[in-house]
Order: sequence, then C-alpha cells, then structure tokens
Amino acid sequence: LAKTTQPISMDSYEGQEVNITCSHNNIATNDYITWYQQFPSQGPRFIIQGYKTKVTNEVASLFIPADRKSSTLSLPRVSLSDTAVYYCLVGGLILTGGGNKLTFGTGTQLKVEL
Amino acid sequence: GAGVSQSPRYKVAKRGQDVALRCDPISGHVSLFWYQQALGQGPEFLTYFQNEAQLDKSGLPSDRFFAERPEGSVSTLKIQRTQQEDSAVYLCASSLDLPGALDSPLHFGNGTRLTVT
Repeated sequence: LAKTTQPISMDSYEGQEVNITCSHNNIATNDYITWYQQFPSQGPRFIIQGYKTKVTNEVASLFIPADRKSSTLSLPRVSLSDTAVYYCLVGGLILTGGGNKLTFGTGTQLKVEL
Repeated sequence: GAGVSQSPRYKVAKRGQDVALRCDPISGHVSLFWYQQALGQGPEFLTYFQNEAQLDKSGLPSDRFFAERPEGSVSTLKIQRTQQEDSAVYLCASSLDLPGALDSPLHFGNGTRLTVT
C-alpha cells in the first residue's frame, strides 16, 4: 500500500500558478496517481490521473518524474473558487477485492486570496 | 440523475438509535465504496462492493456497522446503537470498473452528515 505525503496547507493569490507535490516513495509498478478536489459539504471530485511523465486536461496538469516517487499537481491561474482540499491517491488495478487500497491521506488545504 | 445520490443529507440520532443511510450509485457502475470522513480529515475507507458482493469490509469500525447492496445497485449503510463517536460525514462513491482501473475514477455523492447526540 503506497503511502502518500502532502503539505497540510498552501496559500496563493488569484492568477498565480499553484503546484502541490505529493510524495509516494513506495509506489508499485502498476499504481496510477490520481488527484481529487473537495469543497466543503461536498464529496471529493476527480481532477486528473496519470502514470508517468505529464498529463494535462482542461483544469490541471500532472507532472510525474521518471522514478515516480512523487507527483505534482499544477493548477494554472487559480481563482478564489479553487480554494479547496486536494488529495493525492496512489493505487493500481485490484482484481480480487481489496477496495481499501484506494486510501485518502489528509490532503492539502489550498487557500486562494485576492 | 447523472451523479451519485445520498440520502438523507443530514441525520440527527439520539445515542443508541439505529440509522440507515442510502446510496444510489451511477447506473451501471460495478464498484461501490463507503467512506467515513471526520471533520478536518480525509475520507477513511469503510467497505467496498463489487456488484452485490461485499469484497472488503476491513474498514468497518465495529460490528455495529453493516452495509449491503443486494441487487448490485442501491446500497445501504446501517449503524446500530449509534454512539457519539459515529458522528461524521458518510460518503458513498461508485466507479465504472474495478478499484484502481485506469480511467475509472471514483464518483462521490455529497454525503450524509450524521450527528449523534
């Protein structure tokens, strides 16, 4: 089970780029890296997923170095509405149950100010 | 509906009462998870279903917690003889494929906030 470590909190200002790094030193070969965003009183929401190198979608980019022991979620030009908790999950396909492999850490509280 | 639906949204129970929390996953989703989230913490895994089969219940905190998904769709989490430490948000999530499969992220409901007085 790959344990993840993230900063507890980060502060930023509107219009800036925010990078949140997650450490996962014992990631397994078949593990993917997935990031979720959670607003107060809502369930987590999928942001992006990757295996290696760089992945980009309409809201974020995910950078994964060659050793895959860490990953960085990049949010371009954040706004106040990006204030939320961001979770990094590491896990691979589980064929025989074991759903608890999809384990959330404490996440990173991002606060965006004017 | 397009998303995962949970009901009730809020539940207040007196200590010792039984409660039942409902989850309607996205139609066709194979996997269903229950998580418990305490204030300021990340979601903690409770149990996992693959269709109607409960394949992992290692996260259930005690035998007062019971979950079922009899027809492989709607799921109910039941807590018997509620205690104050059961107060938390209970989140349900579903995914199209098996846990961890590529391009099969978790889709969460907005949870049921349980307060035990």
